[in-house]
Amino acid sequence: QVQLVESGGGVAQPGRSLRLSCAASGFTFSSYGMHWVRQAPGKGLEWVAVIWSDGSNKYYLDSVKGRFTISRDNSKNTLYLQMNSLRAEDTAIYYCARVACTNGVCHIDYWGQGTLVTVSS
Amino acid sequence: QPVLTQSSSASASLGSSVKLTCTLSSGHSTYFVAWHQQQPGKAPRYLMKLKDSGSYNKGSGIPDRFSGSSSGADRYLTISNLQSEDEADYYCETWDTKTHVVFGEGTKLTVL
Repeated sequence: QVQLVESGGGVAQPGRSLRLSCAASGFTFSSYGMHWVRQAPGKGLEWVAVIWSDGSNKYYLDSVKGRFTISRDNSKNTLYLQMNSLRAEDTAIYYCARVACTNGVCHIDYWGQGTLVTVSS
Repeated sequence: QPVLTQSSSASASLGSSVKLTCTLSSGHSTYFVAWHQQQPGKAPRYLMKLKDSGSYNKGSGIPDRFSGSSSGADRYLTISNLQSEDEADYYCETWDTKTHVVFGEGTKLTVL
């Protein structure tokens, strides 16, 4: 069965960095685009970034452009999110999610369990 | 880019049915949406993809009690024979080539 397992969350001071990982199993990882989606405490879902299956295209939420980098290693079935210059407003649970596309129309069809990032001095 | 509008809350009695609405903004009435359920303290779970025609495809293991329908710019999630475990937040999602993923603000469903 499809499994997505995030890791790497924790507490970081403002301005510091963290790298999140998402280990995928149960499907052909290299055939699917992947998202990072976050959820601040008590708030709704917010899309952060997406990467195409071959890593050729990457897109970001405006507020994280230039600070966050999404990447993947298809040989290791792993998705990453490098988060630099962290801000208090980046505090959230970060979920990785698989993209399912049909005829160019896409949606999320699997979610990981999430990893908590807390940015605080 | 599309905006998805959801009511902030809904409630219904155990064993009854409830219909949740997700409304697409003007100019985007043909877009599909996906529905996701988030039970308290858990990760979201994909429920279904719903087209403007009203046809839908559910995710693996989603009970028959969950169904979808559409009318104009509205996309509906209907839950029949409500169970206590259906008490959750429900989010709709759509895809746009510019904004990529857009989520509604979510509806908190209370089962009375």
